[in-house]
Amino acid sequence: DQQVKQNSPSLSVQEGRISILNCDYTNSMFDYFLWYKKYPAEGPTFLISISSIKDKNEDGRFTVFLNKSAKHLSLHIVPSQPGDSAVYFCAASDYGGSQGNLIFGKGTKLSVKP
Amino acid sequence: EAQVTQNPRYLITVTGKKLTVTCSQNMNHEYMSWYRQDPGLGLRQIYYSMNVEVTDKGDVPEGYKVSRKEKRNFPLILESPSPNQTSLYFCASSRGDRTIPPGNTGELFFGEGSRLTVL
Repeated sequence: DQQVKQNSPSLSVQEGRISILNCDYTNSMFDYFLWYKKYPAEGPTFLISISSIKDKNEDGRFTVFLNKSAKHLSLHIVPSQPGDSAVYFCAASDYGGSQGNLIFGKGTKLSVKP
Repeated sequence: EAQVTQNPRYLITVTGKKLTVTCSQNMNHEYMSWYRQDPGLGLRQIYYSMNVEVTDKGDVPEGYKVSRKEKRNFPLILESPSPNQTSLYFCASSRGDRTIPPGNTGELFFGEGSRLTVL
């Protein structure tokens, strides 16, 4: 059973517009959420995170929103740039729990067109 | 430079021939983990280690072994590789501190990946 779901395998947006990547989770024990970006032939790299005690975290062009009641988080990229084209993985963990492992979604491939 | 190093980066082997993918980190991280990435399946955890001599199964441990004799190294062993283990493998590490916040973003540092093909 997938605990972290990214239902859109791909997303295409125009340069300068907003990119919104969505992620849903099922485990109410998750208390920490992260987004990773992955370019081809490279390992994933950390992008931004949010604790369950917050509903928004912002870092430059990247903002993550968390809606705990809906068990939903989203990553907003504004403005989108061609260099943002990559696969984005949502990940979640119950860091207060016994394991603290990250559970990853399947990823969303973002294409930003010039 | 802080990094996670995997070797080999690319390997083609045959069914049944034992192989080891090494992983080393220079950040003194307690937590290390192995993932495999397959099309349409995302990143799935194989094994993880919370500290030296402490390892545990992830979601897809069948056919794999690991060891953690030293803090910096976490090799992945395929005793008898099979074609369904053809995949892209990533090693990752983090501080593993469960304090939230501060001090731990939960950030995993990944290696560059090892593409394994089993014929």
